Amino acid sequence: EAGVAQSPRYKIIEKRQSVAFWCNPISGHATLYWYQQILGQGPKLLIQFQNNGVVDDSQLPKDRFSAERLKGVDSTLKIQPAKLEDSAVYLCASSMVTGNYGYTFGSGTRLTVV
Amino acid sequence: LAKTTQPISMDSYEGQEVNITCSHNNIATNDYITWYQQFPSQGPRFIIQGYKTKVTNEVASLFIPADRKSSTLSLPRVSLSDTAVYYCLVGLQAAGGFKTIFGAGTRLFVKA
Repeated sequence: EAGVAQSPRYKIIEKRQSVAFWCNPISGHATLYWYQQILGQGPKLLIQFQNNGVVDDSQLPKDRFSAERLKGVDSTLKIQPAKLEDSAVYLCASSMVTGNYGYTFGSGTRLTVV
Repeated sequence: LAKTTQPISMDSYEGQEVNITCSHNNIATNDYITWYQQFPSQGPRFIIQGYKTKVTNEVASLFIPADRKSSTLSLPRVSLSDTAVYYCLVGLQAAGGFKTIFGAGTRLFVKA
């Protein structure tokens, strides 16, 4: 079974620029998650989708972050404008059902804001 | 503040059993406890999941007391390749509502 695909693998941008990350979950997985992992910390949930609807975006900084999953399959996460503190690894995960925490994670996108 | 607590780091030797405990006082009543392993430059990888008592699979055991306010991941006979960061993931009830929270992680270093 193919895993969760993410791109790009690495990204370096200047502060105030915009950036977008892409995720393709495992086929058939209805639930998709975006996590932010700052160096030395555990992952923090940014947004959770069930098919193409948002289940939880309470920790998403909505003034600069946005995410969509238009057809209920792949998803994009965007930051505009980026700040230095956004430097982190952005992880995408998927699961077959909501409420079961047996997620499959992608390898992540490492973002550096300079 | 709803949170989980894990030891920051642990050292062990090859062949030993390692037990890593996560405290989660505000765990939601009907929620699972899940543990992940993470290597550098990779996403977390699912290890084991349980609701109560004891769960065992081919790589680990998970012990959960009756009050479910903590859980212990047990790795039998660790090897050098088990050097990684281990996270617990639980759903917590807090003033702001239900949150799924990863712990800060326990960095396990296995020595020869």
